[in-house]
Amino acid sequence: AQTVTQSQPEMSVQEAETVTLSCTYDTSESNYYLFWYKQPPSRQMILVIRQEAYKQQNATENRFSVNFQKAAKSFSLKISDSQLGDTAMYFCAFLSYYGGSQGNLIFGKGTKLSVKP
Amino acid sequence: DTEVTQTPKHLVMGMTNKKSLKCEQHMGHRAMYWYKQKAKKPPELMFVYSYEKLSINESVPSRFSPECPNSSLLNLHLHALQPEDSALYLCASSQGQGRGAYEQYFGPGTRLTVT
Repeated sequence: AQTVTQSQPEMSVQEAETVTLSCTYDTSESNYYLFWYKQPPSRQMILVIRQEAYKQQNATENRFSVNFQKAAKSFSLKISDSQLGDTAMYFCAFLSYYGGSQGNLIFGKGTKLSVKP
Repeated sequence: DTEVTQTPKHLVMGMTNKKSLKCEQHMGHRAMYWYKQKAKKPPELMFVYSYEKLSINESVPSRFSPECPNSSLLNLHLHALQPEDSALYLCASSQGQGRGAYEQYFGPGTRLTVT
């Protein structure tokens, strides 16, 4: 069974600085997807970034980028130039490529990020 | 358009009431999901509909009853709930559940309070 671990329950960062959120996972599959979701206080779950395991290039979306280390089963999220609107709970999630009953998101417990002015 | 809508935004109900939560998407997605989320916890999967058929039911109590009238709509019927059922209920959709199935898009949720 797949598991996702986020070892940082809470983090804080000053506005305009850079912060990295950690995520590790365990799976025996070779093809899968990894995601970071953001959930601000409004509670809407928003997809931040995705990574396909067969792609070696790290995904980037504007100020958000990932460091995907497949061999180490590590998938960290870097937020550059942090903004107050980045304050949220961040969930790392795993999705099996093969679908079926495995085609469901496996979430980590989340990291609460606070951006301070 | 990656929008999933949910109604109502807030719902307060007594333990003897019957109510329904609604979810709608117009992205042509063929898989839809219900999640329950307690405060400071990740979402917990409740039900999955794939091509309008219930494909996964994660041992949810019978007081929760899902319904998928068509590929764009998903309902969650509530009856005789308990106070511990108070939570945020999230709906999500994805292209499908087969091989290569892709990411899930979430609605804003319904905050349910059972009194």
